[in-house]
Amino acid sequence: QKEVEQDPGPLSVPEGAIVSLNCTYSNSAFQYFMWYRQYSRKGPELLMYTYSSGNKEDGRFTAQVDKSSKYISLFIRDSQPSDSATYLCARVGQAGTALIFGKGTTLSVSS
Amino acid sequence: NAGVTQTPKFQVLKTGQSMTLQCAQDMNHNSMYWYRQDPGMGLRLIYYSASEGTTDKGEVPNGYNVSRLNKREFSLRLESAAPSQTSVYFCASRSEGSYEQYFGPGTRLTVT
Repeated sequence: QKEVEQDPGPLSVPEGAIVSLNCTYSNSAFQYFMWYRQYSRKGPELLMYTYSSGNKEDGRFTAQVDKSSKYISLFIRDSQPSDSATYLCARVGQAGTALIFGKGTTLSVSS
Repeated sequence: NAGVTQTPKFQVLKTGQSMTLQCAQDMNHNSMYWYRQDPGMGLRLIYYSASEGTTDKGEVPNGYNVSRLNKREFSLRLESAAPSQTSVYFCASRSEGSYEQYFGPGTRLTVT
């Protein structure tokens, strides 16, 4: 079992919808999580990071961590066509340095 | 402030050829990383360098070597390229005291 599991999608929504992207993880060490956005043929771009249970908001984006169920989520409110990308969740690895990534969820927002 | 830069952007190699992928960062970060990204596999760590003068293997190091030339630059070398090394390669860096990594634009490598 890969340490970070993520549904690859694709996920298609209309503009303005609320999007929920989810990951599960299996290793409880270094519970520090990140969400990256990757546009086609570009490098991953850091969106948000969080290490505590509960919610963290940044504009239209909310990162949520539930450590009891080992579940992390990214919510996008009022989704826009420019949000169409692959979203990668990541957890800090046991050595405290490298990141362990999920396979990514591809999102398409149609206008 | 360019962040993390990578050269070349694209490369086609024949099996058995060698090449070096270059990475540089201007954020004064201590740690640098090389990942490869394959369809259906996600990003996987090849090698990393926690500081100038040190390097360590990641999840998929076979067939690769690295050099941390100085604090800014971290190169990845393929001594004898194989078709299985066809991938997109990303370099990333991280500052001391934080876990967030910042990625370069990638090098798209095809080995025929």
